[in-house]
Amino acid sequence: DAGVIQSPRHEVTEMGQEVTLRCKPISGHNSLFWYRQTMMRGLELLIYFNNNVPIDDSGMPEDRFSAKMPNASFSTLKIQPSEPRDSAVYFCASSPGRRLRWSGNTIYFGEGSWLTVV
Amino acid sequence: GESVGLHLPTLSVQEGDNSIINCAYSNSASDYFIWYKQESGKGPQFIIDIRSNMDKRQGQRVTVLLNKTVKHLSLQIAATQPGDSAVYFCAEKEDNDMRFGAGTRLTVKP
Repeated sequence: DAGVIQSPRHEVTEMGQEVTLRCKPISGHNSLFWYRQTMMRGLELLIYFNNNVPIDDSGMPEDRFSAKMPNASFSTLKIQPSEPRDSAVYFCASSPGRRLRWSGNTIYFGEGSWLTVV
Repeated sequence: GESVGLHLPTLSVQEGDNSIINCAYSNSASDYFIWYKQESGKGPQFIIDIRSNMDKRQGQRVTVLLNKTVKHLSLQIAATQPGDSAVYFCAEKEDNDMRFGAGTRLTVKP
Protein backbone atom coordinates (compact mmCIF):
# COMPACT_ATOMS: atom_id res chain seq x y z
CA ASP A 1 0.00 0.00 0.00
CA ALA A 2 1.22 3.49 -0.79
CA GLY A 3 1.42 5.69 2.22
CA VAL A 4 0.66 9.37 2.46
CA ILE A 5 2.46 11.10 -0.37
CA GLN A 6 3.71 14.65 -0.06
CA SER A 7 5.41 17.02 -2.45
CA PRO A 8 7.74 18.73 -2.67
CA ARG A 9 10.06 16.97 -0.23
CA HIS A 10 12.28 20.02 0.02
CA GLU A 11 11.70 23.63 -0.91
CA VAL A 12 13.80 26.72 -0.47
CA THR A 13 12.08 29.97 -1.30
CA GLU A 14 12.53 33.65 -0.78
CA MET A 15 10.52 35.66 1.69
CA GLY A 16 7.34 36.96 0.13
CA GLN A 17 6.95 34.11 -2.33
CA GLU A 18 3.94 31.83 -2.42
CA VAL A 19 4.48 28.26 -1.28
CA THR A 20 2.15 25.39 -2.12
CA LEU A 21 2.52 22.01 -0.43
CA ARG A 22 0.65 19.01 -1.76
CA CYS A 23 -0.65 15.84 -0.21
CA LYS A 24 -2.23 12.62 -1.37
CA PRO A 25 -3.75 10.72 1.56
CA ILE A 26 -3.98 6.96 1.84
CA SER A 27 -6.78 5.70 -0.35
CA GLY A 28 -9.98 5.17 1.60
CA HIS A 29 -9.01 7.37 4.52
CA ASN A 30 -11.69 9.85 5.49
CA SER A 31 -9.67 12.29 7.54
CA LEU A 32 -6.68 14.39 6.52
CA PHE A 33 -4.44 16.46 8.74
CA TRP A 34 -1.76 19.08 8.21
CA TYR A 35 0.89 19.37 10.93
CA ARG A 36 3.90 21.64 11.29
CA GLN A 37 7.02 20.54 13.14
CA THR A 38 9.71 22.84 14.51
CA MET A 39 12.37 22.39 17.14
CA MET A 40 10.79 25.02 19.33
CA ARG A 41 7.17 23.97 19.17
CA GLY A 42 7.25 20.31 18.21
CA LEU A 43 4.33 18.91 16.24
CA GLU A 44 1.41 21.31 15.89
CA LEU A 45 -1.89 20.54 14.23
CA LEU A 46 -2.74 23.22 11.70
CA ILE A 47 -5.99 21.95 10.23
CA TYR A 48 -7.88 18.78 9.64
CA PHE A 49 -10.50 17.69 7.13
CA ASN A 50 -13.13 15.00 7.36
CA ASN A 51 -14.70 13.84 4.09
CA ASN A 52 -13.03 16.80 2.34
CA VAL A 53 -14.62 19.35 4.67
CA PRO A 54 -12.45 21.45 6.99
CA ILE A 55 -13.48 20.61 10.54
CA ASP A 56 -10.97 22.44 12.70
CA ASP A 57 -8.62 25.13 11.42
CA SER A 58 -7.91 26.72 14.78
CA GLY A 59 -4.26 25.78 14.48
CA MET A 60 -3.69 27.76 11.30
CA PRO A 61 -1.29 30.48 12.45
CA GLU A 62 -2.66 33.38 10.44
CA ASP A 63 -4.38 34.43 7.27
CA ARG A 64 -1.27 33.81 5.23
CA PHE A 65 -2.00 30.11 5.60
CA SER A 66 -4.79 28.39 3.73
CA ALA A 67 -5.66 24.77 3.04
CA LYS A 68 -7.99 23.10 0.59
CA MET A 69 -9.17 19.60 -0.10
CA PRO A 70 -10.98 19.59 -3.45
CA ASN A 71 -11.43 15.81 -3.46
CA ALA A 72 -10.76 12.74 -1.37
CA SER A 73 -7.33 12.15 -2.85
CA PHE A 74 -5.73 15.57 -2.80
CA SER A 75 -5.06 18.47 -0.46
CA THR A 76 -2.93 21.59 -0.55
CA LEU A 77 -1.48 23.86 2.09
CA LYS A 78 -0.60 27.30 0.82
CA ILE A 79 1.45 30.04 2.44
CA GLN A 80 1.21 33.47 0.85
CA PRO A 81 3.31 35.46 1.41
CA SER A 82 5.90 33.25 3.05
CA GLU A 83 8.13 34.49 5.88
CA PRO A 84 11.36 33.11 7.37
CA ARG A 85 9.49 32.05 10.52
CA ASP A 86 7.44 29.68 8.39
CA SER A 87 10.53 27.51 7.93
CA ALA A 88 9.60 24.09 9.27
CA VAL A 89 8.70 20.58 8.25
CA TYR A 90 5.08 20.30 7.18
CA PHE A 91 3.50 16.90 7.54
CA CYS A 92 0.33 15.65 5.99
CA ALA A 93 -1.36 12.71 7.68
CA SER A 94 -4.49 10.70 7.12
CA SER A 95 -6.73 8.50 9.21
CA PRO A 96 -9.27 5.86 8.25
CA GLY A 97 -11.99 6.98 10.59
CA ARG A 98 -14.21 9.88 11.36
CA ARG A 99 -12.52 12.02 13.94
CA LEU A 100 -15.69 12.39 15.95
CA ARG A 101 -15.66 8.70 16.67
CA TRP A 102 -11.99 8.20 16.58
CA SER A 103 -11.40 5.56 19.22
CA GLY A 104 -8.61 3.37 18.04
CA ASN A 105 -8.10 5.17 14.76
CA THR A 106 -4.57 6.33 14.49
CA ILE A 107 -3.14 8.68 11.92
CA TYR A 108 -0.48 7.88 9.37
CA PHE A 109 2.08 10.50 8.41
CA GLY A 110 3.75 11.32 5.14
CA GLU A 111 7.48 11.92 4.86
CA GLY A 112 7.05 15.68 5.19
CA SER A 113 7.83 18.77 3.15
CA TRP A 114 10.95 20.55 4.41
CA LEU A 115 10.42 24.26 3.86
CA THR A 116 13.11 26.90 4.20
CA VAL A 117 12.19 30.54 3.67
CA VAL A 118 15.19 32.84 3.31
CA GLY B 1 -3.35 24.40 30.60
CA GLU B 2 -3.10 20.68 30.20
CA SER B 3 -0.19 19.30 28.28
CA VAL B 4 1.68 16.25 27.19
CA GLY B 5 5.28 16.17 28.26
CA LEU B 6 8.27 13.88 28.46
CA HIS B 7 10.45 13.18 31.47
CA LEU B 8 13.69 12.80 29.53
CA PRO B 9 14.64 14.57 26.34
CA THR B 10 17.48 12.12 25.54
CA LEU B 11 18.18 8.50 26.29
CA SER B 12 21.30 6.53 25.44
CA VAL B 13 21.34 2.75 25.75
CA GLN B 14 23.67 -0.08 24.88
CA GLU B 15 22.70 -2.34 22.01
CA GLY B 16 20.88 -5.36 23.35
CA ASP B 17 19.66 -3.63 26.49
CA ASN B 18 16.05 -2.76 27.14
CA SER B 19 14.92 0.84 26.72
CA ILE B 20 12.19 2.63 28.62
CA ILE B 21 10.85 5.93 27.35
CA ASN B 22 8.50 7.83 29.60
CA CYS B 23 5.71 10.28 29.02
CA ALA B 24 3.60 12.27 31.45
CA TYR B 25 0.18 13.58 30.59
CA SER B 26 -2.14 15.77 32.56
CA ASN B 27 -5.50 15.41 30.83
CA SER B 28 -7.36 12.75 32.77
CA ALA B 29 -10.06 12.70 30.07
CA SER B 30 -7.70 11.39 27.41
CA ASP B 31 -9.01 8.07 26.13
CA TYR B 32 -6.40 6.93 23.67
CA PHE B 33 -2.62 7.06 23.58
CA ILE B 34 -0.15 6.40 20.81
CA TRP B 35 3.61 6.08 20.50
CA TYR B 36 5.29 7.23 17.32
CA LYS B 37 8.86 6.79 16.14
CA GLN B 38 10.48 9.42 13.95
CA GLU B 39 13.75 8.69 12.21
CA SER B 40 15.90 11.45 10.87
CA GLY B 41 14.42 12.98 7.75
CA LYS B 42 11.21 10.99 7.94
CA GLY B 43 7.69 11.38 9.21
CA PRO B 44 6.44 9.94 12.50
CA GLN B 45 5.66 6.26 12.24
CA PHE B 46 3.03 4.52 14.33
CA ILE B 47 4.48 2.01 16.80
CA ILE B 48 1.78 1.00 19.22
CA ASP B 49 -1.36 2.36 20.82
CA ILE B 50 -3.39 1.76 23.94
CA ARG B 51 -6.87 2.71 25.04
CA SER B 52 -7.60 4.16 28.42
CA ASN B 53 -9.44 1.05 29.56
CA MET B 54 -6.20 -0.95 29.33
CA ASP B 55 -3.01 -0.76 31.34
CA LYS B 56 -0.69 -2.78 29.14
CA ARG B 57 -0.37 -3.69 25.53
CA GLN B 58 2.38 -5.65 23.81
CA GLY B 59 3.64 -5.60 20.29
CA GLN B 60 6.70 -6.99 18.64
CA ARG B 61 9.58 -6.09 20.98
CA VAL B 62 7.56 -3.14 22.30
CA THR B 63 5.26 -2.80 25.27
CA VAL B 64 3.23 0.21 26.27
CA LEU B 65 2.21 0.68 29.88
CA LEU B 66 -0.46 3.09 31.02
CA ASN B 67 -0.82 4.20 34.61
CA LYS B 68 -3.89 6.38 34.83
CA THR B 69 -3.48 6.95 38.54
CA VAL B 70 -0.34 8.99 38.03
CA LYS B 71 -1.06 9.88 34.40
CA HIS B 72 2.03 8.17 33.08
CA LEU B 73 2.71 6.37 29.84
CA SER B 74 5.82 4.39 29.00
CA LEU B 75 7.24 2.62 25.99
CA GLN B 76 9.49 -0.35 26.59
CA ILE B 77 11.70 -1.63 23.80
CA ALA B 78 13.24 -5.04 24.34
CA ALA B 79 16.73 -5.87 23.06
CA THR B 80 17.28 -2.42 21.63
CA GLN B 81 18.88 -2.39 18.21
CA PRO B 82 20.73 0.34 16.29
CA GLY B 83 17.69 0.70 14.05
CA ASP B 84 15.69 1.80 17.08
CA SER B 85 17.66 5.06 17.24
CA ALA B 86 15.11 7.79 16.63
CA VAL B 87 12.93 10.35 18.35
CA TYR B 88 9.93 8.85 20.09
CA PHE B 89 6.72 10.81 20.62
CA CYS B 90 3.80 10.03 22.80
CA ALA B 91 0.43 11.39 21.80
CA GLU B 92 -2.84 11.57 23.68
CA LYS B 93 -6.35 11.96 22.41
CA GLU B 94 -9.49 13.27 23.99
CA ASP B 95 -12.55 13.39 21.77
CA ASN B 96 -11.46 15.38 18.73
CA ASP B 97 -8.16 16.62 20.05
CA MET B 98 -4.86 14.78 19.64
CA ARG B 99 -1.71 16.31 21.09
CA PHE B 100 1.90 15.26 20.84
CA GLY B 101 4.65 15.41 23.40
CA ALA B 102 7.98 17.08 22.74
CA GLY B 103 9.77 13.81 21.97
CA THR B 104 12.65 11.78 23.42
CA ARG B 105 15.74 11.05 21.38
CA LEU B 106 16.90 7.46 21.77
CA THR B 107 20.50 6.70 20.84
CA VAL B 108 21.68 3.10 20.70
CA LYS B 109 25.38 2.55 21.30
CA PRO B 110 27.00 -0.44 19.56
